[in-house]
Amino acid sequence: AQSVTQLDSHVSVSEGTPVLLRCNYSSSYSPSLFWYVQHPNKGLQLLLKYTSAATLVKGINGFEAEFKKSETSFHLTKPSAHMSDAAEYFCVVSDRGASGTYKYIFGTGTRLKVLA
Amino acid sequence: NAGVTQTPKFQVLKTGQSMTLQCAQDMNHNSMYWYRQDPGMGLRLIYYSASEGTTDKGEVPNGYNVSRLNKREFSLRLESAAPSQTSVYFCASRERVGEAFFGQGTRLTVV
Repeated sequence: AQSVTQLDSHVSVSEGTPVLLRCNYSSSYSPSLFWYVQHPNKGLQLLLKYTSAATLVKGINGFEAEFKKSETSFHLTKPSAHMSDAAEYFCVVSDRGASGTYKYIFGTGTRLKVLA
Repeated sequence: NAGVTQTPKFQVLKTGQSMTLQCAQDMNHNSMYWYRQDPGMGLRLIYYSASEGTTDKGEVPNGYNVSRLNKREFSLRLESAAPSQTSVYFCASRERVGEAFFGQGTRLTVV
């Protein structure tokens, strides 16, 4: 069964310092992986996606993530945090299940705080 | 280009009342999903539909039913609402391996 674990529920960084949000997944086949961001009382915005092409994926707003199959990880990074990055971030895994259908499973989220 | 449309946006129910949350997408996607979002728990999958006429249980299906009326529409029904069903509900659609597109959410309060 597919699942995703976001290793930190809260992360605090200073403005201008690097961001690392960690995500590990479990999947039986070849997963697709996604990162979303949600600002307070807003909807979900796709940051980036991995769907079996290049393992280093670049997204919007300077974010990127690297798919590492040997470590079953898909960590999200950004070289320099901005105040506007303060939000909740979700890692998502999708894979073909035993019934042949594709679930879309969210992690529990990481709340990023950016300090001035 | 509407994408995924959910109605209503807000709803207050009394315990024991029933209601249906509506979702429609105009992107001709085969797969549709219903989630609930609660603080600290991310989005949990309630039900999903891989294609018209099929539905499957997700992580938290108890207390809910769904109908995939046609390719565009996927509704979520609460037969007898409970306070534990107070949440924000999101509908989504996608093609088989692409990213999901989400509606703006329905904020449901059960008192």
